[in-house]
Amino acid sequence: ETGVTQTPRHLVMGMTNKKSLKCEQHLGHNAMYWYKQSAKKPLELMFVYSLEERVENNSVPSRFSPECPNSSHLFLHLHTLQPEDSALYLCASSPQGKGLEKLFFGSGTQLSVL
Amino acid sequence: AQKITQTQPGMFVQEKEAVTLDCTYDTSDPSYGLFWYKQPSSGEMIFLIYQGSYDQQNATEGRYSLNFQKARKSANLVISASQLGDSAMYFCAMSRNNNAGNMLTFGGGTRLMVKP
Repeated sequence: ETGVTQTPRHLVMGMTNKKSLKCEQHLGHNAMYWYKQSAKKPLELMFVYSLEERVENNSVPSRFSPECPNSSHLFLHLHTLQPEDSALYLCASSPQGKGLEKLFFGSGTQLSVL
Repeated sequence: AQKITQTQPGMFVQEKEAVTLDCTYDTSDPSYGLFWYKQPSSGEMIFLIYQGSYDQQNATEGRYSLNFQKARKSANLVISASQLGDSAMYFCAMSRNNNAGNMLTFGGGTRLMVKP
């Protein structure tokens, strides 16, 4: 148990659906991250929030919309996804302002887009 | 830009033997950190070991040690006395020095399979 919880663990959605991924951390961290892990590709950083402000957006399509209402919760809202968006989506957290701290990851949400 | 390369897509090791997983990196940052994570089939990324670029000694954590060769830009993971539970994907990662958060760049991973 890393202290980072992601729900749901698995999600199947059609291209016209709207769904949300949820991440919650109980570690008192101030930075939270979304990573995408596709088959046969390295993990890709999608978004970074520090003190509830988005500080990084790695050219992610607008069909992915992050939300960080407080330092403990992070959401990824999904709409009109494409089959190539099928992947494992990992949430992570770390202390803020200490650039070389390790990240604590959740177990991920395995997303399948039909 | 940072880049992490793991050249071994898959590795086999006999139980109780030691194994080395390779990692090379490229960066122009003077200060950086190197991490190794383990990802079992359950999906979560488990932190194993960390090496700072200015650390004089190689990092060790139990059965894990990091063979850090700065001039060669390599940060290989050594697992001693392999166990069946070590079978998993292993990722090398590098941090970008940023006060707002720790942006990790990951390599492509190595799948380690421990044979009984």
